[in-house]
Amino acid sequence: DADVTQTPRNRITKTGKRIMLECSQTKGHDRMYWYRQDPGLGLRLIYYSFDVKDINKGEISDGYSVSRQAQAKFSLSLESAIPNQTALYFCATSDPGQLHGYTFGSGTRLTVV
Amino acid sequence: DQQVKQNSPSLSVQEGRISILNCDYTNSMFDYFLWYKKYPAEGPTFLISISSIKDKNEDGRFTVFLNKSAKHLSLHIVPSQPGDSAVYFCAASARSGSQGNLIFGKGTKLSVKP
Repeated sequence: DADVTQTPRNRITKTGKRIMLECSQTKGHDRMYWYRQDPGLGLRLIYYSFDVKDINKGEISDGYSVSRQAQAKFSLSLESAIPNQTALYFCATSDPGQLHGYTFGSGTRLTVV
Repeated sequence: DQQVKQNSPSLSVQEGRISILNCDYTNSMFDYFLWYKKYPAEGPTFLISISSIKDKNEDGRFTVFLNKSAKHLSLHIVPSQPGDSAVYFCAASARSGSQGNLIFGKGTKLSVKP
């Protein structure tokens, strides 16, 4: 099994719909992150969580919300999807004591039509 | 306001030659730098890192150089192979700070031609 699993891998949804992207990790790390990747814009941080009771906004949190259901689970929600939220979304986990930075999932490709 | 900049969106190199990917940063608090490689349909994977107390770190064909005075780092791949074709992200963090979140550049797409 992958260290970081994201579901679904691909999703097409309509404008105005609510959608949830899920992420689970088996690394036992406290820190989890949601990033989005857009062509030419790199990876931008949406939300991050340092433990189950800690949620923080990142660079581009507007239009998104998150839930940290357990140490291993961190979900991202789009309450009312809009076309400019079409992007590749990555979940990641990290242990600040390790030198390898983050471990990423394989991504969710979301298309809002 | 970009704190980590990769000014070359793409780079094309012949197999066997050297690939040099560049990255600049603006935040003097950054003390740890990483390179990630990303293939299509996969998440980024860690490649190599360097602490600000060093100016070079080498791992096989991959070497990262850090010039703190210029706030510049570069990734050298020698010799380049077709399997190195991917998007490379530079990332930086202020590990001595309370959060240590990684800040990523926009990426450079490397194409290695056979």
